[in-house]
Amino acid sequence: EDQLVQSGAEVKKPGESLKISCKGSGYSFTSYWVAWVRQVPGKGLEWMGIIYPGDSDTRYSPSFQDQVTFSVDKTINAAYVQWHNLKATDTAIYYCARHVFQFTPSGYRYYGMDVWGQGTTVTVSS
Amino acid sequence: EIVLTQSPGTLSLSPGERATLSCRASESLSSIYLAWYQQKPGQPPRLLIYGASTRATGIPDRFSGSGSGTDFTLTINRLEPGDFAVYYCQQFGGSPAGTFGQGTKVELK
Repeated sequence: EDQLVQSGAEVKKPGESLKISCKGSGYSFTSYWVAWVRQVPGKGLEWMGIIYPGDSDTRYSPSFQDQVTFSVDKTINAAYVQWHNLKATDTAIYYCARHVFQFTPSGYRYYGMDVWGQGTTVTVSS
Repeated sequence: EIVLTQSPGTLSLSPGERATLSCRASESLSSIYLAWYQQKPGQPPRLLIYGASTRATGIPDRFSGSGSGTDFTLTINRLEPGDFAVYYCQQFGGSPAGTFGQGTKVELK
């Protein structure tokens, strides 16, 4: 079974650093992009960006550029998102998901985010 | 900047009824870039539809997607108790890429 398993809940203070993880199994982890999606409690979904584990190619949403850093360790099939200076507004559930699109001669086709992690709750409070 | 606007915000229906959810894009979007997700409380989203009309693996045919250009629709026939949830459309073809609509909640009437 294709799976993404995320690290556990975190409670941090403003200004602290944090790195959460997402580990894939059951499929070729380096062959699919991984997306990160934020959900503030009681609110909708926000697409943060994607990273390709095969070569660490990264695309950030403008809203999250310079706010977070994506990385991977393909030796252990893991993707990460990192904060260097947490704010209370970073309090949310963070999901990773397998983000499937395929380049074609005319551009690309999008097949959606078809495998999701269970989410990591991040609470930032003084 | 492409914006997806979903309507209505909330849909109150009974089991067995049909739900029709709308997703309108602020600029024309190829249907190959449009997906729909279902999210139940306490769970991650689940992919329902990609390419505007292709059901994801394991999604029953009660769920169907349609549309092109700026107007897309998710239809759920014969609502079942497990269908009451929040539904999001999402695009990965415009700028900025990846944005979601704000969601439509399908609730029990």
